[in-house]
Amino acid sequence: NAGVTQTPKFRILKIGQSMTLQCAQDMNHNYMYWYRQDPGMGLKLIYYSVGAGITDKGEVPNGYNVSRSTTEDFPLRLELAAPSQTSVYFCASSYGVEEGYTFGSGTRLTVV
Amino acid sequence: SQKIEQNSEALNIQEGKTATLTCNYTNYSPAYLQWYRQDPGRGPVFLLLIRENEKEKRKERLKVTFDTTLKQSLFHITASQPADSATYLCVAAMNTGFQKLVFGTGTRLLVSP
Repeated sequence: NAGVTQTPKFRILKIGQSMTLQCAQDMNHNYMYWYRQDPGMGLKLIYYSVGAGITDKGEVPNGYNVSRSTTEDFPLRLELAAPSQTSVYFCASSYGVEEGYTFGSGTRLTVV
Repeated sequence: SQKIEQNSEALNIQEGKTATLTCNYTNYSPAYLQWYRQDPGRGPVFLLLIRENEKEKRKERLKVTFDTTLKQSLFHITASQPADSATYLCVAAMNTGFQKLVFGTGTRLLVSP
């Protein structure tokens, strides 16, 4: 099984540009999450989904948007990139609420 | 706000010794704790979960303890190997309807041959 697949692995954006970070899982997990990891900080939850068609904000949702049209896919959209969004982004999924998460390998995004 | 505290300094040990990593939390009571391993440039990998009513959990060479009185979890790797070198993240889960995870910043472990 592939687990959680994220694309792209690296991206450089100019201020004001938009992009979508792709995330797909093949484990039939209901729960999916987007986190960002900044140097010296713990992972912060951006958005999460408890199933297809259901999404909700996490701790740091400003500047981002998500959709969940299928169980497998959970893309993260950045509409107007800002330098503060320079970070490493991780997508994760889990079967249930009290389960360990499976993380993707991350997308390193730089906004210049 | 809820925080998880892990030693930011790297832990250096020799191969074959037991590595012990510490995780402290303060003014809250997690329903459970998780431990993850993270290698450079990779996503975290889930290792163990321990609930508040469990004192200890083991998996192969790994052992986790959860002391609700001390508000502390210890993560042990016995017979450590150079391949165990990585950053280990402690994560606290709050039971608030939908779980809220609080991630520590991790402790880097370096195991030398």
